[in-house]
Amino acid sequence: GENVEQHPSTLSVQEGDSAVIKCTYSDSASNYFPWYKQELGKRPQLIIDIRSNVGEKKDQRIAVTLNKTAKHFSLHITETQPEDSAVYFCAPHTGRRALTFGSGTRLQVQP
Amino acid sequence: EPEVTQTPSHQVTQMGQEVILRCVPISNHLYFYWYRQILGQKVEFLVSFYNNEISEKSEIFDDQFSVERPDGSNFTLKIRSTKLEDSAMYFCASSVGPGRGNEQFFGPGTRLTVL
Repeated sequence: GENVEQHPSTLSVQEGDSAVIKCTYSDSASNYFPWYKQELGKRPQLIIDIRSNVGEKKDQRIAVTLNKTAKHFSLHITETQPEDSAVYFCAPHTGRRALTFGSGTRLQVQP
Repeated sequence: EPEVTQTPSHQVTQMGQEVILRCVPISNHLYFYWYRQILGQKVEFLVSFYNNEISEKSEIFDDQFSVERPDGSNFTLKIRSTKLEDSAMYFCASSVGPGRGNEQFFGPGTRLTVL
């Protein structure tokens, strides 16, 4: 099955700084790469995704970049705000029905 | 905006008891899923369901677990004889279709506590 790793496991930044979270995966058949945000006690929510025929996608302050050769993709958050504080999960998808979540990155944005 | 709903929000049960967790997927979605998240850990896939049958399950989904779509709106997860290690948040999700690009929408979760 898919082996998914995220780094770092925790990340603390000052408000206004950028944050980058990296996800590596093992299954070369993966073709869909979403990032989920989970606030404490809440459900995971999709914040951005990218497909394998695209190298980068941006939506306001968040972006995702994909390197299929190296089998990793990254979440970039610019101009971080306290409300960005949450746990972020990557969940690379092979086209099978299940999502395989990474272990999560706890982002803390210090005001 | 339509949402996946789950009941109850919190269930407390004694070890060995049966529990049924309920979900109402988004009405035009055809694929349904159960995931669990042990406190402080990652979200883990349990089972997916399509066309009134299980389409995929993980090694966690053993004989103690079962799923059912008893009517046109509900999707349930039954744990036959709960164990302490079943304590977790259980998320239901649904999607329009399978595979890439079909976002899975998650419900708010049911926190199961087994004593």
